[in-house]
Amino acid sequence: DTAVSQTPKYLVTQMGNDKSIKCEQNLGHDTMYWYKQDSKKFLKIMFSYNNKELIINETVPNRFSPKSPDKAHLNLHINSLELGDSAVYFCASSQVRTIDTGELFFGEGSRLTVL
Amino acid sequence: QKEVEQNSGPLSVPEGAIASLNCTYSDRVSQSFFWYRQYSGKSPELIMSIYSNGDKEDGRFTAQLNKASQYVSLLIRDSQPSDSATYLCAVTNEKLTFGTGTRLTIIP
Repeated sequence: DTAVSQTPKYLVTQMGNDKSIKCEQNLGHDTMYWYKQDSKKFLKIMFSYNNKELIINETVPNRFSPKSPDKAHLNLHINSLELGDSAVYFCASSQVRTIDTGELFFGEGSRLTVL
Repeated sequence: QKEVEQNSGPLSVPEGAIASLNCTYSDRVSQSFFWYRQYSGKSPELIMSIYSNGDKEDGRFTAQLNKASQYVSLLIRDSQPSDSATYLCAVTNEKLTFGTGTRLTIIP
């Protein structure tokens, strides 16, 4: 049974379209994250939610809107897609809010390609 | 200056040798330090954590931390082909910040 699952795993779309990625975790964790990994493997945090409350919102264009309907789910909606949005998007969860244990549990990633 | 810096590699090491991966960070108040391993096409997984100066050993892996120099390293002894992956250094203060990763290739 997958701990952190994301759908879809692959998205190929045209510039200007809107797309969503869904994430669910069954670990009972309170905190969930979205990370973006570019082609050079740089993994950068975008958002973090703790028990449905937004706690980290990095400098991300407002075309990106996260939504957490409950603490087990964190979705990402992207409007007006641009070429630079092409990346792998990882959902992750952690047991504690302050993540001082550093242990994030990652989903398998969603590879977004914008043409 | 990036918050967490790593040599991107690729780093090629013969099987059985010691692989040495380095990382520097810019924020002196960082408290906790981690190494993640990411196989090609897969998600990152935590392999080592270190919180105080000195060495921490776990099997073939040793993490080293020097807070005065703002330097973290990972040594992999008796390198195996299965160690070939990208290794990501990560540092916390209020959030977990990753370096750009070092691609390691173990040559049989």
